[in-house]
Amino acid sequence: DTGVSQNPRHKITKRGQNVTFRCDPISEHNRLYWYRQTLGQGPEFLTYFQNEAQLEKSRLLSDRFSAERPKGSFSTLEIQRTEQGDSAMYLCASSRRAGLGTDTQYFGPGTRLTVL
Amino acid sequence: AQSVSQHNHHVILSEAASLELGCNYSYGGTVNLFWYVQYPGQHLQLLLKYFSGDPLVKGIKGFEAEFIKSKFSFNLRKPSVQWSDTAEYFCAVHNNNDMRFGAGTRLTVKP
Repeated sequence: DTGVSQNPRHKITKRGQNVTFRCDPISEHNRLYWYRQTLGQGPEFLTYFQNEAQLEKSRLLSDRFSAERPKGSFSTLEIQRTEQGDSAMYLCASSRRAGLGTDTQYFGPGTRLTVL
Repeated sequence: AQSVSQHNHHVILSEAASLELGCNYSYGGTVNLFWYVQYPGQHLQLLLKYFSGDPLVKGIKGFEAEFIKSKFSFNLRKPSVQWSDTAEYFCAVHNNNDMRFGAGTRLTVKP
């Protein structure tokens, strides 16, 4: 068990460019979450997957954001036409749903996005 | 909508002082409650969690939290802090598919 990993750890891009982040969850964790965290705030939920199915999306997730988890293992988060307001830490977490009330999320180190 | 409030933004303590960080939430139904910690330069780590049963839960590194349903609170406590406890602490509330975090409390422990 190597924990949740995220790549890249840092990304600097120019406004208007597209970026893609990857998350590898803990193996056999069937749930995967994406969050965004800005300075001085706690993580804000963006979306989550159970296996390959995207079950919920926050209203924070504009149509420029898309997430996939094609084989139910790793996930990608793409931001199209980036804006300066997209600058944040993007966190991934995974969990193994073993029954009601036992869903503990384990977080990765995050990808810090800076949009110039 | 569900919300989580952490009233203290920054707490400064001397080593060996006692700690209590407040966390209140707004949701009235069944919830799961968590405290996460983020040490400088590291990622979020689970400190402790409450799902059911004894409302006083013990976590790692001597931390504990008490769930008081009538007050919608889940305060974090430690009887004697150490310099190594310097970190940011986040309370989180999970209900069904909704996970909400508080804004965090930065704890600075002076040696």
